[in-house]
Amino acid sequence: GAVVSQHPSRVICKSGTSVKIECRSLDFQATTMFWYRQFPKQSLMLMATSNEGSKATYEQGVEKDKFLINHASLTLSTLTVTSAHPEDSSFYICSASTGSYEQYFGPGTRLTVT
Amino acid sequence: QKEVEQDPGPLSVPEGAIVSLNCTYSNSAFQYFMWYRQYSRKGPELLMYTYSSGNKEDGRFTAQVDKSSKYISLFIRDSQPSDSATYLCAMRGWAGFQKLVFGTGTRLLVSP
Repeated sequence: GAVVSQHPSRVICKSGTSVKIECRSLDFQATTMFWYRQFPKQSLMLMATSNEGSKATYEQGVEKDKFLINHASLTLSTLTVTSAHPEDSSFYICSASTGSYEQYFGPGTRLTVT
Repeated sequence: QKEVEQDPGPLSVPEGAIVSLNCTYSNSAFQYFMWYRQYSRKGPELLMYTYSSGNKEDGRFTAQVDKSSKYISLFIRDSQPSDSATYLCAMRGWAGFQKLVFGTGTRLLVSP
């Protein structure tokens, strides 16, 4: 149980375009979902926390107009990187929680912006 | 100073060795301590979870928390090549639902 999927697993896009990444909890309802980014050989950096039906809470330094997060249901959250640039290239990972201490992580999405 | 410090490694050991992975932290409000394992290009998976101080054992893995020293450890006995991965410590506080704070991760290489 407690499986989280992400789609796509990898995506290459051109500079200036937008990319949407989906995060789904497959066998449980997630009251809270988190979005992280991870640069090579670095740790996970929390970008934002989203609760179903409410606006996401962004971490300091994360542009909310650039990284749009929607948590429309208890099993789906999306992250849209708008007007992507090469510096946005990274590994994006979501996690989902039922409200307890545990976060269940997705397999990640590798974004490359050319 | 980072809230959570972790040696990035890599740590190379022969198969069968006992591995010790460690993190130190500065925030005394942290109450929940986790260890995650992350294989290359994959998401982290929860290995061990400990609340407050003490030890917890699960198979070949033992997690220790020493809150007085603000120091946590993960021991792996009889290490296997399949244990080769990056190990991330993570922790959070008690009040409400607080975000996890991760260490940078230690890359472990177990050679056959």
